Amino acid sequence: DIQMTQSPSSVSASVGDRVTITCRASQGSSNWLVWYQLKPAKAPRLLIYGATSLQTGVPSRFSGSGSGTDFTLTISSLQPEDFATYYCQQANSFPLTFGGGTKVEVK
Amino acid sequence: QVTLRESGPALVRPTQTLTLTCTFSGFSLSTSGMCVNWIRQPPGKALEWLARIDWDDDKYYSTSLKTRLTISKDTSKNQVVLTMTNMDPVDTATYYCARMFTAYGYYFDYWGQGTLVTVSS
Repeated sequence: DIQMTQSPSSVSASVGDRVTITCRASQGSSNWLVWYQLKPAKAPRLLIYGATSLQTGVPSRFSGSGSGTDFTLTISSLQPEDFATYYCQQANSFPLTFGGGTKVEVK
Repeated sequence: QVTLRESGPALVRPTQTLTLTCTFSGFSLSTSGMCVNWIRQPPGKALEWLARIDWDDDKYYSTSLKTRLTISKDTSKNQVVLTMTNMDPVDTATYYCARMFTAYGYYFDYWGQGTLVTVSS
């Protein structure tokens, strides 16, 4: 199975801050990397697919980069609704595997 | 509009079998490339993919849980059912169903809100 290592596990930030989350795969995944946003009692939300493609309806302050084994999710200017937990997922092969999550908290 | 909704018991006793139902709308599981998956998240822990069923009834399971899981579908009812045998307190989690369209890739574009299942005597 491909192991996904996400860092940091949590980050404290303020509205307007730039936030960067990294994800590393134990094996090369080309650009088969996806990012999700999770909030309590809400359906998880797909943000980024194919490492860099923004899902329809997702604000442009979210962006993804990377290929191979190292990937990044960036929130360019954190908004109040962005306080949540973010997960990466390798979309290269089954079993699909997720990173450990990054909780973005209020500073 | 694509929606998915999970249903099932909130409390299960150890050793019992859990049966969860995913009822969906806005797409058809008879469409080539369409799949429904189950994913879970124990409290305070990461997401874990469990199982997938395809439009052509192909099925895929988590390596570590495959002996305990069964996934099935009723296309006419727009439902997917997951059963997990021999439940244990470590299986306490929020269970999600999610859509995947393999023509797009191996990721989940729509999710349900999840259902919390607690395993306790």
